[in-house]
Amino acid sequence: NAGVTQTPKFRILKIGQSMTLQCTQDMNHNYMYWYRQDPGMGLKLIYYSVGAGITDKGEVPNGYNVSRSTTEDFPLRLELAAPSQTSVYFCASSYSASPSYEQYFGPGTRLTVT
Amino acid sequence: AQSVTQLGSHVSVSEGALVLLRCNYSSSVPPYLFWYVQYPNQGLQLLLKYTSAATLVKGINGFEAEFKKSETSFHLTKPSAHMSDAAEYFCALRNAGGTSYGKLTFGQGTILTVHP
Repeated sequence: NAGVTQTPKFRILKIGQSMTLQCTQDMNHNYMYWYRQDPGMGLKLIYYSVGAGITDKGEVPNGYNVSRSTTEDFPLRLELAAPSQTSVYFCASSYSASPSYEQYFGPGTRLTVT
Repeated sequence: AQSVTQLGSHVSVSEGALVLLRCNYSSSVPPYLFWYVQYPNQGLQLLLKYTSAATLVKGINGFEAEFKKSETSFHLTKPSAHMSDAAEYFCALRNAGGTSYGKLTFGQGTILTVHP
């Protein structure tokens, strides 16, 4: 199993551009999450999904959109990129049948908006 | 609202010394608690988890943590630090209720430096 994979690893965007961060998991997990990590701030939840076709906002959803058309994929869309979106983005997944809902993380995408 | 506080954004120890990383939590319902480790330029890897069974939890790489409800703490320890332990460590909480959908609340992180 590859686990959780994310592409790209790095990206530089200009202000106002858009992009999609890709996330795929091959563990048949029904729950998926997007976090952003900023220095000294820990990880903040952007959006999450409890299954295909079902998504909901997390703590910091503004400026982002998500979709979940399949169990495996959970892309994160940035529209009109702003410098405040410079961050490291992590995708994670978990399985609701696991008592602890342990989350598995991807390697991250480092995004710079200039 | 639930929260996680990690005391000390940076901890420095000598190789072979005790590692102690502090985590306190606030939750109105029984929590599940986790410690994750992040090596430079990598994702997060689960070290250990507390899920209301034993209060002393053993994890990978010789780490362990003790859940103390009276102190609302879940501190991470390792008896003898190794150079390879240098990383950032995150404490995280999720509510045990089913409607939490597994969402985690993270602490701010603690960077562990190990000196020769």
